Amino acid sequence: DTAVSQTPKYLVTQMGNDKSIKCEQNLGHDTMYWYKQDSKKFLKIMFSYNNKELIINETVPNRFSPKSPDKAHLNLHINSLELGDSAVYFCASSQALHTQYFGPGTRLTVL
Amino acid sequence: SQKIEQNSEALNIQEGKTATLTCNYTNYSPAYLQWYRQDPGRGPVFLLLIRENEKEKRKERLKVTFDTTLKQSLFHITASQPADSATYLCALGRGYGNKLVFGAGTILRVKS
Repeated sequence: DTAVSQTPKYLVTQMGNDKSIKCEQNLGHDTMYWYKQDSKKFLKIMFSYNNKELIINETVPNRFSPKSPDKAHLNLHINSLELGDSAVYFCASSQALHTQYFGPGTRLTVL
Repeated sequence: SQKIEQNSEALNIQEGKTATLTCNYTNYSPAYLQWYRQDPGRGPVFLLLIRENEKEKRKERLKVTFDTTLKQSLFHITASQPADSATYLCALGRGYGNKLVFGAGTILRVKS
């Protein structure tokens, strides 16, 4: 059983389009995250939600908007995609002991 | 601003030897430090967590040390195997919100 799942795994789109990435966790965790991993492999946090409440909001363009309909789901919507948005986006979840469980990633390519 | 440095070059070692990876940090006082493994095309997988008041942690062939004076963590894999080949990431955290700050990772290659 997949603990943290993301869809889609690959996303290729044109500049200016709007796209969404979905994430679901079946671990019963209270906290979920979105990370961006760029071509240099740096993993940087973007957002974090705890029980549907936004608790971390890093310096991310307003074109990125997370939404958490319930504590098992955290989606990421991106408006007006730009070339620099190309990266791998990871969803993660955690509960106690600060351990984070990552999804398989979504590779976004903006043409 | 906070900075985390890991061995920028890949570490190549022979099977059976001990691999030692380094994580140094500045401008940060973490409450804990974690190590993750990442395989190509996959998400990071948690390996070990060590708290600021702990000097050493072990799990099977893995050992982590944490020196808050030197601002350094060492990650050891004993009796390394080709299957240990991956990128290893260190991450620092402090508390509420569980925000983790990751290093860029070190690529480990174990040759048979």
